[in-house]
Amino acid sequence: NAGVTQTPKFQVLKTGQSMTLQCAQDMNHEYMSWYRQDPGMGLRLIHYSVGAGITDQGEVPNGYNVSRSTTEDFPLRLLSAAPSQTSVYFCASSTRRDGETQYFGPGTRLLVL
Amino acid sequence: QQPVQSPQAVILREGEDAVINCSSSKALYSVHWYRQKHGEAPVFLMILLKGGEQKGHDKISASFNEKKQQSSLYLTASQLSYSGTYFCGTERNNAGNMLTFGGGTRLMVKP
Repeated sequence: NAGVTQTPKFQVLKTGQSMTLQCAQDMNHEYMSWYRQDPGMGLRLIHYSVGAGITDQGEVPNGYNVSRSTTEDFPLRLLSAAPSQTSVYFCASSTRRDGETQYFGPGTRLLVL
Repeated sequence: QQPVQSPQAVILREGEDAVINCSSSKALYSVHWYRQKHGEAPVFLMILLKGGEQKGHDKISASFNEKKQQSSLYLTASQLSYSGTYFCGTERNNAGNMLTFGGGTRLMVKP
């Protein structure tokens, strides 16, 4: 199993540009989520999904959209990039079972100029 | 609401012990502990569920005090590989494993 994969690894955007961060998992996990991590800080939840077709907002959803058309994929869209969105973005997945934790992808480093 | 971790940073010599605390003002369902090395993704260490027992493997263990809504991570006889930033992630209910993370504790182990 590849686990949780994310692309791209690095991206530089100009203010106002849009882009999609890709996330895929091959563990048949029901739950998927997106976090952002700013320098020297913990992770903050952006959006999450408890299954295909179901998404909801986390702590910091503004400026981001998600969709979940398949169990495997959970892309994150930046609608109009702003310098405040410069961060490292982590995708994670988990099962519904009690006692199971989240498995994180390697992250995407995004710089918005 | 974000859990509070303490201390914010700690420096140890190899072989010394450390305790990292994670406190919440809200009732918790579970606490997850992760370690993150610089430039890498968080790596899962262990999970403690409400009503569960203290857990551990090798020289790392953790406890969860439900009355205080506090979890502690115990690092015994630290090794150089223990260096990194430790995060606790908390859940208030079993609704999807969506975690609220603390600000992290930076641990440096020196030879």
